[in-house]
Amino acid sequence: QKEVEQDPGPLSVPEGAIVSLNCTYSNSAFQYFMWYRQYSRKGPELLMYTYSSGNKEDGRFTAQVDKSSKYISLFIRDSQPSDSATYLCAMSSRTGNQFYFGTGTSLTVIP
Amino acid sequence: GAVVSQHPSWVICKSGTSVKIECRSLDFQATTMFWYRQFPKQSLMLMATSNEGSKATYEQGVEKDKFLINHASLTLSTLTVTSAHPEDSSFYICSAGGWAGGHGYTFGSGTRLTVV
Repeated sequence: QKEVEQDPGPLSVPEGAIVSLNCTYSNSAFQYFMWYRQYSRKGPELLMYTYSSGNKEDGRFTAQVDKSSKYISLFIRDSQPSDSATYLCAMSSRTGNQFYFGTGTSLTVIP
Repeated sequence: GAVVSQHPSWVICKSGTSVKIECRSLDFQATTMFWYRQFPKQSLMLMATSNEGSKATYEQGVEKDKFLINHASLTLSTLTVTSAHPEDSSFYICSAGGWAGGHGYTFGSGTRLTVV
């Protein structure tokens, strides 16, 4: 079983839609949960990170962590064509620095 | 804060030659940096953890004699792909940072290596 599971998509939505991206994980030691956005041929860009459970909001982006279900989500409100990218979830334990990445979900927002 | 610069952004080399990729933390000191490899439409795979002043820690299956890592200062780590072969063609990305500064880990812009 992979440490982190993420549906690769592709996901295609109309402009203005609410996008929901999800990851599940198996390691209960994970404490830090991150979402990265990666444009083609570029390095990943950190969007948000959350420590432990709960919600975090930043503009049009909301990250949710449910440790009891080992499930994390990223919501994008009022999606824009510029949001078209691959979104990667990543996790690490409190004491370790190693990241475990999901495979990434490819998102296309259609104008 | 937490800016990581990676150079070069792309490189083409002949089979059998060596290529060096640099990763610099511009506005912070990084005792630890990470090197990843990413194949098309796949996720990032950790290759090794680079530790300042000591030997790198390689992930299982990664040849340490082929992928030489040097972390000689708190702001610079280098990855040298030695005797490159076409199967080494990939997107290599470094990352650095940490939780103490509140910025998390930042990635470099990546290096696309093509071995012909």
